[in-house]
Amino acid sequence: DVKVTQSSRYLVKRTGEKVFLECVQDMDHENMFWYRQDPGLGLRLIYFSYDVKMKEKGDIPEGYSVSREKKERFSLILESASTNQTSMYLCASSSRINEQFFGPGTRLTVL
Amino acid sequence: AQSVSQHNHHVILSEAASLELGCNYSYGGTVNLFWYVQYPGQHLQLLLKYFSGDPLVKGIKGFEAEFIKSKFSFNLRKPSVQWSDTAEYFCAVKGWGKLQFGAGTQVVVTP
Repeated sequence: DVKVTQSSRYLVKRTGEKVFLECVQDMDHENMFWYRQDPGLGLRLIYFSYDVKMKEKGDIPEGYSVSREKKERFSLILESASTNQTSMYLCASSSRINEQFFGPGTRLTVL
Repeated sequence: AQSVSQHNHHVILSEAASLELGCNYSYGGTVNLFWYVQYPGQHLQLLLKYFSGDPLVKGIKGFEAEFIKSKFSFNLRKPSVQWSDTAEYFCAVKGWGKLQFGAGTQVVVTP
């Protein structure tokens, strides 16, 4: 089975802090994605990556950056956390043509 | 830009009732279609998918969906729901470019 793991299930940070969310997949997938999930809005794509050291902006990249130094790892960085970034963050991975597999999510609260 | 619309945000029904969740999308080209489910406290997982061929797709746990190209729809159905079907259901569409999710439908099945 594909396994996508995320470094934390719950995280509480203060406004202005730099936040790192880590995601690791074990299926040698080329593609990796970061979404945020908010009630009534579904999943919105923040950033994605089709290869190592490659990144593309999604629909809501403002306030976020990403890093993909190794194929299995994709990190989401909040440079200066703000309260409107309180959300559930989901990581996903996929091969080139197949469906996405999701991690368990990180519920981030910014105070 | 492509968009995905799910008709209902909340559905409440009794066990053994039939379920149908609507999903429409706006994209004129070839699409890949998905339904994902998120059970309480669990990660998002694939329920079924359509890439090509028979427009009636069968998924896990007795779910099925029908792709009607002329109506740009991919509705999810289950003839008889169980309490364990309580979850949030997301329709997703991949046309040219990235996967687009609907806002989700929260389904509550009462005993």
